Amino acid sequence: GAVVSQHPSWVICKSGTSVKIECRSLDFQATTMFWYRQFPKQSLMLMATSNEGSKATYEQGVEKDKFLINHASLTLSTLTVTSAHPEDSSFYICSARVADTDTQYFGPGTRLTVL
Amino acid sequence: QKEVEQDPGPLSVPEGAIVSLNCTYSNSAFQYFMWYRQYSRKGPELLMYTYSSGNKEDGRFTAQVDKSSKYISLFIRDSQPSDSATYLCAMSAISGYSTLTFGKGTMLLVSP
Repeated sequence: GAVVSQHPSWVICKSGTSVKIECRSLDFQATTMFWYRQFPKQSLMLMATSNEGSKATYEQGVEKDKFLINHASLTLSTLTVTSAHPEDSSFYICSARVADTDTQYFGPGTRLTVL
Repeated sequence: QKEVEQDPGPLSVPEGAIVSLNCTYSNSAFQYFMWYRQYSRKGPELLMYTYSSGNKEDGRFTAQVDKSSKYISLFIRDSQPSDSATYLCAMSAISGYSTLTFGKGTMLLVSP
């Protein structure tokens, strides 16, 4: 099956710093990638949709200047949490969609803790 | 009414039991239905993908879709302790262009 990787798997940072999370599709090309956030015992909350070569589309209530998304190639999307604060601590998961289908394959997630 | 409703559980069953997990939805435009399994602190793993109404079987897993009732199910036969996880249903309307709408997930606990 299709494999999506994320790096890092967990990160601890100080308040006010920026953190970059990478999402890669390892064995297929993904024209569309998604970024989700998941709080404990809650379902996935879509943050943004990222299309290769174009600007990301953010869901309502998600600050685009705080969560910077770059999708520079068909296999890589990055999420940068700028000026992170403790309330940004969460589990961030990316997914990549197989072209012309609705099948999304998820990465293993990145646990962010902001002190 | 939320677009996708799913009982959060937990659902506790003994090893070997048949498990039934369900979701209801309100948007009649949904045509593509998926079930994901998520272990604690891991990303969701795609289990089943179905289009429109009908059944689909894969090993111990069977997915059913009843569009007339706006109801989907996932059955797990001969459940194992390793099946203990959260199961998320997801659905979408237009292939390739629409985002997925997820249920909140049902936590399943299979005891040995």
